[in-house]
Amino acid sequence: KNQVEQSPQSLIILEGKNCTLQCNYTVSPFSNLRWYKQDTGRGPVSLTIMTFSENTKSNGRYTATLDADTKQSSLHITASQLSDSASYICVVSGQAGTALIFGKGTTLSVSS
Amino acid sequence: SAVISQKPSRDICQRGTSLTIQCQVDSQVTMMFWYRQQPGQSLTLIATANQGSEATYESGFVIDKFPISRPNLTFSTLTVSNMSPEDSSIYLCSAGQEYNEQFFGPGTRLTVL
Repeated sequence: KNQVEQSPQSLIILEGKNCTLQCNYTVSPFSNLRWYKQDTGRGPVSLTIMTFSENTKSNGRYTATLDADTKQSSLHITASQLSDSASYICVVSGQAGTALIFGKGTTLSVSS
Repeated sequence: SAVISQKPSRDICQRGTSLTIQCQVDSQVTMMFWYRQQPGQSLTLIATANQGSEATYESGFVIDKFPISRPNLTFSTLTVSNMSPEDSSIYLCSAGQEYNEQFFGPGTRLTVL
């Protein structure tokens, strides 16, 4: 069964600290993996997208990694800010023309 | 990219009534989708809105409960029919040129009393 598992479920960190979110998937075949940020009351916004051949992708203070062999991805947030408080969702795309597979997300709270 | 707007942003409805949610895209797109996001849960695909034909529904979702229209390449509506408290959720529209590229709207927060 195609699944996307994220950990931790929630995380609280102090402003300025770094953190890493994890995503494991069992989707096959694999097309690409996206990390989305979803602010409370808003729709998800794409942060990064990686295909099978890409190991890392950065978007400002966000850096995503992908290990297609172990089917694991991580999202590293550097020097966190209060505005980083949100839900981060890992989404995997499988076979062309099929629905996206969403993780349940990690809720990040950044406190001052 | 595409900019997507939804109306209403939120609503509180009585059980047994119906609500129609509108989704507008700022450019023509091939594909439009409707999702439900229940509290603490991830997004679940309800259906793919096909322009000029009936929507394609995912397992567990039926047209009588969630009728969808897509009259053109920039607009779609989702109706939540005969609502019950279990329908309280966030409903999200997304759009893109293919499954692999979807841009999301801000969502409609629905509360059914």
